[in-house]
Amino acid sequence: QKEVEQDPGPLSVPEGAIVSLNCTYSNSAFQYFMWYRQYSRKGPELLMYTYSSGNKEDGRFTAQVDKSSKYISLFIRDSQPSDSATYLCAMMSGGFKTIFGAGTRLFVKA
Amino acid sequence: GAVVSQHPSRVICKSGTSVKIECRSLDFQATTMFWYRQFPKQSLMLMATSNEGSKATYEQGVEKDKFLINHASLTLSTLTVTSAHPEDSSFYICSAVPGPQSSYEQYFGPGTRLTVT
Repeated sequence: QKEVEQDPGPLSVPEGAIVSLNCTYSNSAFQYFMWYRQYSRKGPELLMYTYSSGNKEDGRFTAQVDKSSKYISLFIRDSQPSDSATYLCAMMSGGFKTIFGAGTRLFVKA
Repeated sequence: GAVVSQHPSRVICKSGTSVKIECRSLDFQATTMFWYRQFPKQSLMLMATSNEGSKATYEQGVEKDKFLINHASLTLSTLTVTSAHPEDSSFYICSAVPGPQSSYEQYFGPGTRLTVT
């Protein structure tokens, strides 16, 4: 079993839709939870991070962490074609080593 | 702020030769940098953790004699793929951390696509 599971998609939605991206994990020691966006042939870009459980909102993006269920989500409201990218969840327990999910490829159709 | 560059962005080399990839933090100092490898449609696989002034820490299964890492300054780390073979062809990405208090905050370079013929 992988430490972090993420559906690779692809996920295709119409412009303006609410997108829900999810990851599950098995290591209860994870405390930091991050979402990265990666455009094709580019390095990942940190979108949001959350420490421990709870919600965090930044513009059209909302990150949720449910440690009891070992489940994290990223919601994108009013999705735009420019949101089309691969979204990677990532987690760490402290220290430096970060474990990444496989990434979900998102396509937002105009 | 928090810009990380990589050079070259793309390199093609012949089997048996060595290739050096540079990773620079342009507007911050990074005591720690990471080197990742990414295959098409797959996630990032950590290869090694590079600490300024000390030996790199390699992940299990990564040959330290093949992937030489040098972190000579707070803004520069290099990865040298020695005696490259076609199976080493991949997308190599580095990241840098501004400081231990923000270890979750990795800033990634744009990546280097290596093709070994």
